Amino acid sequence: GESVGLHLPTLSVQEGDNSIINCAYSNSASDYFIWYKQESGKGPQFIIDIRSNMDKRQGQRVTVLLNKTVKHLSLQIAATQPGDSAVYFCAEKSPNFNKFYFGSGTKLNVKP
Amino acid sequence: NAGVTQTPKFRVLKTGQSMTLLCAQDMNHEYMYWYRQDPGMGLRLIHYSVGEGTTAKGEVPDGYNVSRLKKQNFLLGLESAAPSQTSVYFCASSWGSGNTIYFGEGSWLTVV
Repeated sequence: GESVGLHLPTLSVQEGDNSIINCAYSNSASDYFIWYKQESGKGPQFIIDIRSNMDKRQGQRVTVLLNKTVKHLSLQIAATQPGDSAVYFCAEKSPNFNKFYFGSGTKLNVKP
Repeated sequence: NAGVTQTPKFRVLKTGQSMTLLCAQDMNHEYMYWYRQDPGMGLRLIHYSVGEGTTAKGEVPDGYNVSRLKKQNFLLGLESAAPSQTSVYFCASSWGSGNTIYFGEGSWLTVV
């Protein structure tokens, strides 16, 4: 299948290190945010979400931080593994239009 | 639990031909969506549906039509395929507008 992730920012990390992937969103009124993982040739897979009334949310090995002041979202992956290699992108939902807007993503390469 | 299922996974069309992409979800979701994904770009919404019998235009609706005759199915039609419609198409569904969107595995379409 067609490869996704061409010409995307790339983050390379060593296996076992922590990864931080950043996302700047556009609408200060956006009230819901999601991080997705997309492996080559597959559909986006939900990782973690956060609503605008929170600053931080933790999942299994992942943490999402939301800074509404600067409209910034980050995804932290602890003890990164080779299976984490994929394109990661964020999605924001605007309450005005009730639709999601998606970033183009960051490609994470995990070196063994 | 299959989630969101799309068919076909790969298709090559000649310019001017028509085709239909099929999407089925077994999560009883009200909302369904069709997105396209192009290299280096975020997912763009083509059409969506907020319930059986309803459809609405997204960001890039031109050249596409949709139908939602049954709650579990959302069909995307290309009336007269053009090379600009070469893309990866993703169907998705959610409970409502403020809920997580779950994606299918994608349909790779090439128009020559």
